[in-house]
Amino acid sequence: SQQGEEDPQALSIQEGENATMNCSYKTSINNLQWYRQNSGRGLVHLILIRSNEREKHSGRLRVTLDTSKKSSSLLITASRAADTASYFCATDADNYGQNFVFGPGTRLSVLP
Amino acid sequence: NAGVTQTPKFQVLKTGQSMTLQCAQDMNHEYMSWYRQDPGMGLRLIHYSVGAGITDQGEVPNGYNVSRSTTEDFPLRLLSAAPSQTSVYFCASGAGSSSSPLHFGNGTRLTVT
Repeated sequence: SQQGEEDPQALSIQEGENATMNCSYKTSINNLQWYRQNSGRGLVHLILIRSNEREKHSGRLRVTLDTSKKSSSLLITASRAADTASYFCATDADNYGQNFVFGPGTRLSVLP
Repeated sequence: NAGVTQTPKFQVLKTGQSMTLQCAQDMNHEYMSWYRQDPGMGLRLIHYSVGAGITDQGEVPNGYNVSRSTTEDFPLRLLSAAPSQTSVYFCASGAGSSSSPLHFGNGTRLTVT
């Protein structure tokens, strides 16, 4: 069963615009992570937010977490063509180490 | 700086054949896992290991076997391939805590005809 659901499934924007992706999950978590996947490659870790944090920043990335709504959002500011990729949220809903549960992802296209 | 290495990158099997997908990591991680990625389904956990000699089932273990004889290697065996096992397979490793990142290989694209 899927714990996380990303929204939207696909997003197309122009370079320089901001991109926002949302993730919802069903059970309580300790941590939520965001990953990026370029076409034909493995996933790469972007950022982690703990359940007691509401917002976190890393470069052009901003992640928020609302545990009352069981949702998180990933904002990429001033997007670049190189940001074109799929983005996944992952939760530790299994509560066992690194058995993360991944959502189906958001496919982001940044047009030059 | 190899990280997680998966071989082969591509494989075509006939129904009923068996094969082993290789995974090796050089980060001395205790935790390793296998996921399969299908369109629209995200990644689903097949098997995982929290250390040498210890393996356990994930969400979709049927038709797959694993073993962990060393910290570095975590091969995934398909016992009798079926078309439903056509997928992209990813191996990942990590330090074992949910506050640590997973490190992924670049995947094996498997087609079963």
